Amino acid sequence: GENVEQHPSTLSVQEGDSAVIKCTYSDSASNYFPWYKQELGKRPQLIIDIRSNVGEKKDQRIAVTLNKTAKHFSLHITETQPEDSAVYFCAASMEYGNKLVFGAGTILRVKS
Amino acid sequence: NAGVTQTPKFQVLKTGQSMTLQCAQDMNHEYMSWYRQDPGMGLRLIHYSVGAGITDQGEVPNGYNVSRSTTEDFPLRLLSAAPSQTSVYFCASRPGHLNIQYFGAGTRLSVL
Repeated sequence: GENVEQHPSTLSVQEGDSAVIKCTYSDSASNYFPWYKQELGKRPQLIIDIRSNVGEKKDQRIAVTLNKTAKHFSLHITETQPEDSAVYFCAASMEYGNKLVFGAGTILRVKS
Repeated sequence: NAGVTQTPKFQVLKTGQSMTLQCAQDMNHEYMSWYRQDPGMGLRLIHYSVGAGITDQGEVPNGYNVSRSTTEDFPLRLLSAAPSQTSVYFCASRPGHLNIQYFGAGTRLSVL
């Protein structure tokens, strides 16, 4: 089955700096890669996703890149703000598949 | 729309007790899932359902039962609680044409 590894487990950045979180996956059949943000004590919420026919997707300060050959994808957050502090999870699945496999999560701390 | 509603929010059980975690959604979503979240392990899929009357196992199904008699409800049953089942449990739903998971607020379960 699919296995998703996520790095780093914790990341501290200064406000205004960029943050990058990386994930690798094992199943070449996976072609849908979402990122979820979970604030302390809250539920996970989708922030951005990418499908395999696209190499990069941006939404304001957030971008995701996908390298299908290397089987890795990354989340990029620019101009970080204190409200970006949260746990971020990557995941992988087949398109419209219900078996999302999540990475272990990255705790992002933005210091002001 | 209330979205995905989980009850209870908190529960303490003794080893060997049984209980049912409730999940209901009012978005007419076909797909529903149960995840457990443990520190350092991300979210792991327990069971999922692609429609009323249809359920299947995820990554960590042992010790849990589910049923889906209606589109709206997807209860998770712990048959004989064990300390290893201490976790935060999230229910999620998604429409059939999208893979965006909408999570409930979670149930924090402690088994003593």
